[in-house]
Amino acid sequence: SQELEQSPQSLIVQEGKNLTINCTSSKTLYGLYWYKQKYGEGLIFLMMLQKGGEEKSHEKITAKLDEKKQQSSLHITASQPSHAGIYLCGAGYNTDKLIFGTGTRLQVFP
Amino acid sequence: DAGVIQSPRHEVTEMGQEVTLRCKPISGHNSLFWYRQTMMRGLELLIYFNNNVPIDDSGMPEDRFSAKMPNASFSTLKIQPSEPRDSAVYFCASSRTGVSGYTFGSGTRLTVV
Repeated sequence: SQELEQSPQSLIVQEGKNLTINCTSSKTLYGLYWYKQKYGEGLIFLMMLQKGGEEKSHEKITAKLDEKKQQSSLHITASQPSHAGIYLCGAGYNTDKLIFGTGTRLQVFP
Repeated sequence: DAGVIQSPRHEVTEMGQEVTLRCKPISGHNSLFWYRQTMMRGLELLIYFNNNVPIDDSGMPEDRFSAKMPNASFSTLKIQPSEPRDSAVYFCASSRTGVSGYTFGSGTRLTVV
């Protein structure tokens, strides 16, 4: 069974559109990480959310953590082709190791 | 800071051969993680080390897989004998205790034919 489920699995949007990716945990969250992976490359750390209600932004990417719902959302405003890639959420569940979600493939076309 | 360095970037081998993947973590990082990524199963944690000691190897698929970390600057993941179902991208990541986020290497794409 997958502890972290992401939705949607894939997303194709037109440049300039906003989009949201969700990450839902089957267990209590003690913080959540977001990473981006460009095709054929390693993962790049985007941000970490530690507390319920916390919201962080990095350029045009904003992420929020809802501890009660055991869920996090990642929102991209005015998407650009450079945003294309695979977005992964990860959680430690109070351990040193990160378990990752199923991933969301994002394509942005002009 | 050169980042996490993995070698080789690509490996093609025949079924039954031994494969060794290498990783150099970031200097000063005391935790090291090996992951495997496939289309079917996504990103799976295989094993992780803290201060060169294996802490959790519950993700290692079977006895054909082994990992070592002889010192703080080097780790290997070995598959012997390799099988076609081992084909995947293998990532190494490192982190420092108390600092959030891992740094990932560029991965090794393994193809077993």
